[in-house]
Amino acid sequence: EAQVTQNPRYLITVTGKKLTVTCSQNMNHEYMSWYRQDPGLGLRQIYYSMNVEVTDKGDVPEGYKVSRKEKRNFPLILESPSPNQTSLYFCASSFGGAGNQPQHFGDGTRLSIL
Amino acid sequence: KQEVTQIPAALSVPEGENLVLNCSFTDSAIYNLQWFRQDPGKGLTSLLLIQSSQREQTSGRLNASLDKSSGRSTLYIAASQPGDSATYLCAVRTVRGSTLGRLYFGRGTQLTVWP
Repeated sequence: EAQVTQNPRYLITVTGKKLTVTCSQNMNHEYMSWYRQDPGLGLRQIYYSMNVEVTDKGDVPEGYKVSRKEKRNFPLILESPSPNQTSLYFCASSFGGAGNQPQHFGDGTRLSIL
Repeated sequence: KQEVTQIPAALSVPEGENLVLNCSFTDSAIYNLQWFRQDPGKGLTSLLLIQSSQREQTSGRLNASLDKSSGRSTLYIAASQPGDSATYLCAVRTVRGSTLGRLYFGRGTQLTVWP
């Protein structure tokens, strides 16, 4: 089954403790992206990648890191999480580096930073 | 910076109604526009994608139109059903230089269709 898989689905942690949210897709997609969704602010793009070893900042990249060493994986790293990063996070992927194909989304990761 | 606005923010209709959701964007230099559906506690599902050179796309009871020059798109849902209840989001991809790969979302229209 074609899918985008995020782990963990839920995480409660404390300020300053490094964490990684993994994202994996099995569709051989070139384009992958991370978003956060907050009430009243909607979905905002954090980082995206058009292919292996190619990453670019989205609208709200501060406090996050990403890497794209393999085509299927696009982990989101919070080196020193803070409470304002409490949010619902989505990973997405699509065919083609330019992103002109429909995006497939994961089910989301709900992060709470205390 | 691209701004995407969706009106109305919420809509409640009886089953069987035809309805229109609106999306507007400030920068007409877009690559494409997508409509998504989001169910509570779930990720987004792509409904329709319209390339900048296209005027409309259809899938079943859904029809999306795009007027790039005026910065508007509409999603038309025919003969609405309770199963259509969800939040509908539109998103645009810009073509301007360094932001080519970015996707900008509206805040969505929360649709409730009651029996």
